[in-house]
Amino acid sequence: ETGVTQTPRHLVMGMTNKKSLKCEQHLGHNAMYWYKQSAKKPLELMFVYSLEERVENNSVPSRFSPECPNSSHLFLHLHTLQPEDSALYLCASSQDPGAGGAIFSYNEQFFGPGTRLTVL
Amino acid sequence: KQEVTQIPAALSVPEGENLVLNCSFTDSAIYNLQWFRQDPGKGLTSLLLIQSSQREQTSGRLNASLDKSSGRSTLYIAASQPGDSATYLCAALTQDISNFGNEKLTFGTGTRLTIIP
Repeated sequence: ETGVTQTPRHLVMGMTNKKSLKCEQHLGHNAMYWYKQSAKKPLELMFVYSLEERVENNSVPSRFSPECPNSSHLFLHLHTLQPEDSALYLCASSQDPGAGGAIFSYNEQFFGPGTRLTVL
Repeated sequence: KQEVTQIPAALSVPEGENLVLNCSFTDSAIYNLQWFRQDPGKGLTSLLLIQSSQREQTSGRLNASLDKSSGRSTLYIAASQPGDSATYLCAALTQDISNFGNEKLTFGTGTRLTIIP
């Protein structure tokens, strides 16, 4: 596997379900990101992890819970979602040459294919 | 607060023509600007990244320019092909004062490009 992979590619869940999205990067990067793309809205940054520590949380509801067990893996745990949470969830990674602090460090982000989430 | 705009929202051109996609941003204090393409139902593919100190970047038939003073970037596609049909997104990286100075990547809403065979 190369690049950034995400599983599952599609997910349908009820409002009372608990599910997790998985992201894995094979690029040796040390920063990973979760984005949400809703129809007709700009891509929204949700969470950022740099060196396995969360460095940004853009006012995301607590029903979304990220986890970064190591620099190659990133999870997004979902529970009691709402229909308006239906969207494409994208994971990205980049190489952050700094430690902590500046998270994007001016380098390209590489994106996974996304998980299409539908909440019924 | 950075705002990124892409106009038009959709564009159709005959195959073989050259075309320009536009991106404008309100905060000229950017670190870099990136162009992506997104195919239906897929994630984003990074096309070009222009650092704030650069004026343009080229990759194959693609050329991206950056004019920070006017808050504009363009993506030029030469000799368009049906395979170029996709949504093109630009994103500006700036400092987010409201978030302890961390960088923030702000995306436009995209231009949906259709190349007509």
